[in-house]
Amino acid sequence: EAGVAQSPRYKIIEKRQSVAFWCNPISGHATLYWYQQILGQGPKLLIQFQNNGVVDDSQLPKDRFSAERLKGVDSTLKIQPAKLEDSAVYLCASSKTGDSSYGYTFGSGTRLTVV
Amino acid sequence: AQKITQTQPGMFVQEKEAVTLDCTYDTSDPSYGLFWYKQPSSGEMIFLIYQGSYDQQNATEGRYSLNFQKARKSANLVISASQLGDSAMYFCAMREGQRGSGGYQKVTFGTGTKLQVIP
Repeated sequence: EAGVAQSPRYKIIEKRQSVAFWCNPISGHATLYWYQQILGQGPKLLIQFQNNGVVDDSQLPKDRFSAERLKGVDSTLKIQPAKLEDSAVYLCASSKTGDSSYGYTFGSGTRLTVV
Repeated sequence: AQKITQTQPGMFVQEKEAVTLDCTYDTSDPSYGLFWYKQPSSGEMIFLIYQGSYDQQNATEGRYSLNFQKARKSANLVISASQLGDSAMYFCAMREGQRGSGGYQKVTFGTGTKLQVIP
């Protein structure tokens, strides 16, 4: 089966600009996650979708970050306006259900650099 | 308090030797799960192994085994016969919340251990 697709692979923007990341999960995976991984740290969950509904967005900085998953398939994460501290790798993952016992499948990530 | 603690920022191991990566966790949830992921320099997170809190036996997957000591709240990863391709970051993670209940499950990652395999 095809893996989790993410684009772009790399992005460099200036602070206060906006940026969007795209994720296409594995076909049939109902649950989609966006993680932020700052250099030297473990991934931190930003938002979790079950189909097209939000299950958890408690760690999403909602004043600047937004995410949507239209039609319960692919998803977009947006940052507007970006800050220097948003420099990180943004990882998308998916699983068949919210049961994570069998591990998530992660994409290759988008490396964002804010200058 | 940290949910997941990985005290080894970096580890070296000789090729073909075994290595243990430490992980301790903190939860009051009676039902939880523990994972290990590998992250090579390419950036992708690769699922390695899973241990449920009620599982009686330690999980094994090929050269990977999880040394689960529930009373000590530790879930160390053991890699046997290390290979050069094992050089990567390794993350321990914990799921809290009832599995299969349809309810929300939360997964928290540790800060990782960088493993370098020496030829």
